[in-house]
Amino acid sequence: DTAVSQTPKYLVTQMGNDKSIKCEQNLGHDTMYWYKQDSKKFLKIMFSYNNKELIINETVPNRFSPKSPDKAHLNLHINSLELGDSAVYFCASSPSGRRGETQYFGPGTRLLVL
Amino acid sequence: TQLLEQSPQFLSIQEGENLTVYCNSSSVFSSLQWYRQEPGEGPVLLVTVVTGGEVKKLKRLTFQFGDARKDSSLHITAAQPGDTGLYLCAGRNTGTASKLTFGTGTRLQVTL
Repeated sequence: DTAVSQTPKYLVTQMGNDKSIKCEQNLGHDTMYWYKQDSKKFLKIMFSYNNKELIINETVPNRFSPKSPDKAHLNLHINSLELGDSAVYFCASSPSGRRGETQYFGPGTRLLVL
Repeated sequence: TQLLEQSPQFLSIQEGENLTVYCNSSSVFSSLQWYRQEPGEGPVLLVTVVTGGEVKKLKRLTFQFGDARKDSSLHITAAQPGDTGLYLCAGRNTGTASKLTFGTGTRLQVTL
């Protein structure tokens, strides 16, 4: 039933490790997003894909690499994790990425880097 | 970088009170959305406004988009404990089809 799902929900890891977060949407949407929400609850877009093609890439360290195997999935791989990467990461999707569309958010992945 | 400032940052009120949350920017947006986020969950869309001066009502919530499309407000009448959450405004600029810029957030707590 879940529209946008993310795994894992919680991720605790050591500095320097490499980790991946997976996202899947069953809404048939063309556009998917990754957002980062910091400890002050500020939500900032990181990447956006439309039909597996990267369309938004904000100023994000290249340790972060999104991958979209198909339009229903957008995974986020993070290399050499740093303390500052600790945050909640949200995946979202929308029908086509056009103006005024609703974005549907997943439940978030809480990443803690020790 | 576009910035959407929300005020107040925190608001704690009693059930039955009215409140207004403001979302301000120096940039013009083609549309503006309001989301509510509950602890442990992702944001959920409440409303989208696209026309300058537009007012939309959703039960006890009233949303207004400024005439110049740079600001917005959310007014809640007779707040209830179920209104508790983080309220986020998000603007879509005129140049980029899909990019949303989120506001700084307003954390609302409504107590009995």
